[in-house]
Amino acid sequence: EADIYQTPRYLVIGTGKKITLECSQTMGHDKMYWYQQDPGMELHLIHYSYGVNSTEKGDLSSESTVSRIRTEHFPLTLESARPSHTSQYLCASSALGTPYYGYTFGSGTRLTVV
Amino acid sequence: DQQVKQNSPSLSVQEGRISILNCDYTNSMFDYFLWYKKYPAEGPTFLISISSIKDKNEDGRFTVFLNKSAKHLSLHIVPSQPGDSAVYFCAASGDYGGSQGNLIFGKGTKLSVKP
Repeated sequence: EADIYQTPRYLVIGTGKKITLECSQTMGHDKMYWYQQDPGMELHLIHYSYGVNSTEKGDLSSESTVSRIRTEHFPLTLESARPSHTSQYLCASSALGTPYYGYTFGSGTRLTVV
Repeated sequence: DQQVKQNSPSLSVQEGRISILNCDYTNSMFDYFLWYKKYPAEGPTFLISISSIKDKNEDGRFTVFLNKSAKHLSLHIVPSQPGDSAVYFCAASGDYGGSQGNLIFGKGTKLSVKP
């Protein structure tokens, strides 16, 4: 079954730690995205990619970095976590072209930095 | 500066009645509009979309209406069911300079359908 997977679902980590949030999709989609969402707020685009070796910054400035070495894999890394990074991180993918059918989202990672 | 606005944070409706969720936008370059549904601790799931060349799109119990002159769209759910209780996000996209066709989301409206 085609899908998009995010791990871990929940993560509590101390300040200063390095973390990587994993995202993989089995749909062969070229375009992938990372959104950040706080409760009651809109989803903010922080990174996206058109395909392998392509990464772009989104509308919301983020200290995180991403990589796209394989089509199916789009991990997000925080080199030194801080309490201000506490949020929900949502990964999504889509086929290139018309956005009429929208994005497919993963279940998200709820990150808490203490 | 929000380009997609959902001004009602919450809505409560009785089971079997109509739910109407509203969304306003400011950018006339948007050409696709989408609605997503999100349950707690899950990612958003695509519900229905509409192109700017249409004013209505229907899929089962869900209908989206687009009023381009007013820069307003709405999602109608008829009849509402308790399983429809979730947060609904309005999103828009357009292929204009700097946008890359990426989706821009509103803040969401939490719908509660009471039995």
